[in-house]
Amino acid sequence: NAGVTQTPKFRVLKTGQSMTLLCAQDMNHEYMYWYRQDPGMGLRLIHYSVGEGTTAKGEVPDGYNVSRLKKQNFLLGLESAAPSQTSVYFCASSYAVGQRGTEAFFGQGTRLTVV
Amino acid sequence: AQSVAQPEDQVNVAEGNPLTVKCTYSVSGNPYLFWYVQYPNRGLQFLLKYITGDNLVKGSYGFEAEFNKSQTSFHLKKPSALVSDSALYFCAVRDTIYNQGGKLIFGQGTELSVKP
Repeated sequence: NAGVTQTPKFRVLKTGQSMTLLCAQDMNHEYMYWYRQDPGMGLRLIHYSVGEGTTAKGEVPDGYNVSRLKKQNFLLGLESAAPSQTSVYFCASSYAVGQRGTEAFFGQGTRLTVV
Repeated sequence: AQSVAQPEDQVNVAEGNPLTVKCTYSVSGNPYLFWYVQYPNRGLQFLLKYITGDNLVKGSYGFEAEFNKSQTSFHLKKPSALVSDSALYFCAVRDTIYNQGGKLIFGQGTELSVKP
């Protein structure tokens, strides 16, 4: 059982380049999330999805786009990377509120550096 | 608005002593509350949760947390700390009002350091 898998694990981008981070979960979870982790800032929610074909903005959505074309996948895109987007990115998934097991399961993270 | 606060950036404890990591929250409806732990260069691991029922919940590795509705708090505790408990701890809350999506919001994190 793989749980939540993120690819890639590391990436270095030049300012202005684009990239897509892929998150895949095999637990049939409805909810999926993308967070960024910065020192002293905790985990801040970028975007989330409550089901296939739906997405919503979190606390810090600017500069990012997401898509949830399949229930098991949640993609995070950076169209034009900026140094301020240097961070560790975490994907997570969970059942919906009110269903069994409400805790989220996390991937191992993607360390992104924008130079 | 939904929010979580962890008032201490760092907590230092001697091995064998009890530890407490503090968390307060704000939600519109009833909260689902969680504690997670993160070891260096790793993802987050689930420790315990409060959904409903008994205010004292027990979780992994001997940790427990006490839900206090009047003080809107959910402090993490352990009776006897181990050096291996040293890590970054996060409190999180899900708002149960469905139309807000039940999104999971985290606090800033508390670095726990347990010295021998």
